[in-house]
Amino acid sequence: DVKVTQSSRYLVKRTGEKVFLECVQDMDHENMFWYRQDPGLGLRLIYFSYDVKMKEKGDIPEGYSVSREKKERFSLILESASTNQTSMYLCASSLSRIGELFFGEGSRLTVL
Amino acid sequence: AQSVTQPDIHITVSEGASLELRCNYSYGATPYLFWYVQSPGQGLQLLLKYFSGDTLVQGIKGFEAEFKRSQSSFNLRKPSVHWSDAAEYFCAVVGNNNDMRFGAGTRLTVKP
Repeated sequence: DVKVTQSSRYLVKRTGEKVFLECVQDMDHENMFWYRQDPGLGLRLIYFSYDVKMKEKGDIPEGYSVSREKKERFSLILESASTNQTSMYLCASSLSRIGELFFGEGSRLTVL
Repeated sequence: AQSVTQPDIHITVSEGASLELRCNYSYGATPYLFWYVQSPGQGLQLLLKYFSGDTLVQGIKGFEAEFKRSQSSFNLRKPSVHWSDAAEYFCAVVGNNNDMRFGAGTRLTVKP
């Protein structure tokens, strides 16, 4: 089975802190994604990557950056956390660009 | 731009009753459509998908969905709901950049 692992299930950070959310997949998938999930808004795409060292902006990239140094790892970075970034963050991977997404369990971030 | 609309934010059904969750999409070409389910505290799991061919697709856990091009719809159905089906359900479409776009979700409550 595909496993997508997000390193932190729950984080509490202070405004202005730098935050790293790590995601690792074990199925050699080319494609990886970061979504943000908020009630009533569904999932919104932040960034995605189709290859190592490659990244593309999604719908809401402002305030975020990403890193993909290795195929299996895709990190989401909040350079200076703000309270409006309090949310659930979901990482996903896929074998093909139009195929099924496999999700991690999510990282719930609270910024105080 | 492509988009997905789930008109119902919250639906309550009795256990054993039938279920239909609505999904409408806006997309110029033939869409690739998906339904995912999210149990509390978990990531999303694929229920079923439509790429082409038979417009009635079967998925896991007894769910099915029907693609209707004339109505731009991809509604999810189940003949008899079980208490374990209580969850949030997301419809999704693959967009122009081959990135997946999600609806806002429908939360399903199952009454005993």
